[in-house]
Amino acid sequence: KQEVTQIPAALSVPEGENLVLNCSFTDSAIYNLQWFRQDPGKGLTSLLLIQSSQREQTSGRLNASLDKSSGRSTLYIAASQPGDSATYLCAVRRSSNTGKLIFGQGTTLQVKP
Amino acid sequence: SQTIHQWPATLVQPVGSPLSLECTVEGTSNPNLYWYRQAAGRGLQLLFYSVGIGQISSEVPQNLSASRPQDRQFILSSKKLLLSDSGFYLCAWTKTTEFTYEQYFGPGTRLTVT
Repeated sequence: KQEVTQIPAALSVPEGENLVLNCSFTDSAIYNLQWFRQDPGKGLTSLLLIQSSQREQTSGRLNASLDKSSGRSTLYIAASQPGDSATYLCAVRRSSNTGKLIFGQGTTLQVKP
Repeated sequence: SQTIHQWPATLVQPVGSPLSLECTVEGTSNPNLYWYRQAAGRGLQLLFYSVGIGQISSEVPQNLSASRPQDRQFILSSKKLLLSDSGFYLCAWTKTTEFTYEQYFGPGTRLTVT
């Protein structure tokens, strides 16, 4: 059974810091992995998607990496800003057909001005 | 472009009352659709998914049911709500491209059962 873990559960950093969020999964047989952002009381916004054959994806100040063999992904946020404060969730998709995602519990990030 | 809608945005219902939450997707056809629940302090739990009209798969036994009466409409229902049904309900769909499958979420419905 696939399990997804995100560490730390919460993180507080001063503005301008570079930071890394971690995601680990127990079964390396994944189709792809998505990173999402969730603001309080809102739905999830897709940030980055990495296919199982890829090593990393970048979007602006965000960079996500994937090491499928070790069951790990990281989300790197450069030059953090207060607007980055949110909960970040990672999710793995086992196969392409039904598309069910298995989510981690999330990391709640606070960037202090 | 594709858009996913959910309503209502918030709902307060007494225990034992019925429930109907609606989700619609615009700008695509035959999407895979999903209902998730996010309870306070917990992760997202997949409740139901559907690959087509009338095709529903349940992930966990519970007090809820789902239906897909039209291609882009997904409904979550209950005949009698329990306190434990409180939570944030999210509808999602899978966007299929030439290269991959990516999931997108609606704005969610906050349900409080009193």
